[in-house]
Amino acid sequence: DAMVIQNPRYQVTQFGKPVTLSCSQTLNHNVMYWYQQKSSQAPKLLFHYYDKDFNNEADTPDNFQSRRPNTSFCFLDIRSPGLGDAAMYLCATSREAGGTDTQYFGPGTRLTVL
Amino acid sequence: GQNIDQPTEMTATEGAIVQINCTYQTSGFNGLFWYQQHAGEAPTFLSYNVLDGLEEKGRFSSFLSRSKGYSYLLLKELQMKDSASYLCAVMDSNYQLIWGAGTKLIIKP
Repeated sequence: DAMVIQNPRYQVTQFGKPVTLSCSQTLNHNVMYWYQQKSSQAPKLLFHYYDKDFNNEADTPDNFQSRRPNTSFCFLDIRSPGLGDAAMYLCATSREAGGTDTQYFGPGTRLTVL
Repeated sequence: GQNIDQPTEMTATEGAIVQINCTYQTSGFNGLFWYQQHAGEAPTFLSYNVLDGLEEKGRFSSFLSRSKGYSYLLLKELQMKDSASYLCAVMDSNYQLIWGAGTKLIIKP
């Protein structure tokens, strides 16, 4: 049973055309995360939400925004995608924000920018 | 700055044993995680260490030495399906996960 679901799995967009990636979870976890991962690199944290409290990482570009309308759903908006934004975008959840709480990842959305 | 170091790539033979090392320098320490990531897929949780010593879980074991800022993941009886990247991640004093770039493990028959 899928616990962290991401749609779509593959997304193609045009340079500068806004795109929204979605994530949902059936775990009822308090914390949701968005990561960007480029080939052979570590995942880079973009945002995380503790419940509805939004936390923007200091070096996340303004081009990226996020919304969490309820516990189950979280969205990543890329306002004007550039070629450098082509990457795998990973959504993750954890029950709490620390300690032994493992992060559970969705299957990811691979974004291609043409 | 915060830093996680692990080898970029390792090669091992099916049925053998391999040890993947990870060293870290972080602002505080609240545990170390190992994740497995197959190509084009999301990371999946393997292990968590917060106290020194060895944690064994089937064919996989993980070791931690906090005084040395060092961990390793030991994989025994390697199978072809173990070909993947293995990511080391440390939770810092702010409960943020600091990730290594991963070690790509290639298993040969």
